[in-house]
Amino acid sequence: AQSVTQPDIHITVSEGASLELRCNYSYGATPYLFWYVQSPGQGLQLLLKYFSGDTLVQGIKGFEAEFKRSQSSFNLRKPSVHWSDAAEYFCAVVITSGTYKYIFGTGTRLKVLA
Amino acid sequence: DSGVTQTPKHLITATGQRVTLRCSPRSGDLSVYWYQQSLDQGLQFLIQYYNGEERAKGNILERFSAQQFPDLHSELNLSSLELGDSALYFCASQEGSTDTQYFGPGTRLTVL
Repeated sequence: AQSVTQPDIHITVSEGASLELRCNYSYGATPYLFWYVQSPGQGLQLLLKYFSGDTLVQGIKGFEAEFKRSQSSFNLRKPSVHWSDAAEYFCAVVITSGTYKYIFGTGTRLKVLA
Repeated sequence: DSGVTQTPKHLITATGQRVTLRCSPRSGDLSVYWYQQSLDQGLQFLIQYYNGEERAKGNILERFSAQQFPDLHSELNLSSLELGDSALYFCASQEGSTDTQYFGPGTRLTVL
């Protein structure tokens, strides 16, 4: 069955340090791939998405993600984290062949140390 | 501001009661999703509507139901409420051309 895995439930980094959040999916073909961010008490907001083409995609707030087909991964990165990046991050995949499905991962909660 | 509105923002009720949560999607979006988010279960997909028709069902309890009206707003009805139904309920409308979901601010339901 199709699934999305975010192996890290919590991640803590120092402000200014680099960040990588992992996302793996299970699906026979390439799905549409998304990263969303949820600030405390807020709804989710799109950071970036990948449909096809260049495997390195740029998003808002200085985030980028790289699609690696061989690893079925779509990891989110930021070179220098700011305290305001503390939030929960969700990876999502969209399966468009057969039954349309929008599947969210379980989320990774990011804490930023001053 | 995502353009998706949800009312009410907070709701406090007692066990056994019934409540209705309302969602207005972004202008032009035909698809509405409902999600439940709690600390122990994370973000759970409940149900999806597209242009008034139910399109997909997730982990939605039989005590819960939803509908989407001709003006595309949607309502989620929760009945025979239990303590475990306390959660944040989000709706999201989906832009058809990009598959991007736009989330509302959520309704926080507390069942006492």
